[in-house]
Amino acid sequence: GAGVSQSPSNKVTEKGKDVELRCDPISGHTALYWYRQSLGQGLEFLIYFQGNSAPDKSGLPSDRFSAERTGGSVSTLTIQRTQQEDSAVYLCATKDGPSTDTQYFGPGTRLTVL
Amino acid sequence: QQQVKQSPQSLIVQKGGISIINCAYENTAFDYFPWYQQFPGKGPALLIAIRPDVSEKKEGRFTISFNKSAKQFSLHIMDSQPGDSATYFCAASISTSGSRLTFGEGTQLTVNP
Repeated sequence: GAGVSQSPSNKVTEKGKDVELRCDPISGHTALYWYRQSLGQGLEFLIYFQGNSAPDKSGLPSDRFSAERTGGSVSTLTIQRTQQEDSAVYLCATKDGPSTDTQYFGPGTRLTVL
Repeated sequence: QQQVKQSPQSLIVQKGGISIINCAYENTAFDYFPWYQQFPGKGPALLIAIRPDVSEKKEGRFTISFNKSAKQFSLHIMDSQPGDSATYFCAASISTSGSRLTFGEGTQLTVNP
């Protein structure tokens, strides 16, 4: 079956602009995570959604970052007023519920802030 | 605070050799320890994982060794192949706390033919 998909694959934006990154999970996967992969910080957790529960936002680096998950499926990560330090690869991962282990990653969105 | 430390940062081995990557963790609440493999331009893919109730797990050429008392775990790649050249990440998570992954810094493995 289809894996996790993310769009766009690449995004170049100017400092101060807002961007939206999209994640389409594997069908039926109720748990969804966003991670950021950057040269200086490695792979770091941003936010976690599980079903209809309140998301775990503890990894979001600032209030410029937000995410939502509509209908328990597609998720959008929004970065407002982008800064150069936001340049990174943003990865989405999903898994089949809270009691399973394996997280399946999408290919990521490479964000470049000029 | 870096909760999972990984070494070496880079590793070069000859085809047929053994690749060994080490990780150490701090949080004793971690109860799931996966290794991910990442090729350029791709997302990480699960390679093998272990829980702390066993000391070793083997899948094909890949083995995880786990030392709970030392809070260390390692990945061994036997008979390394050029196709194994990739970046490897260890990670850890807590099942009862959303299973968010805490990653090591990554190891860039190069297997020379």
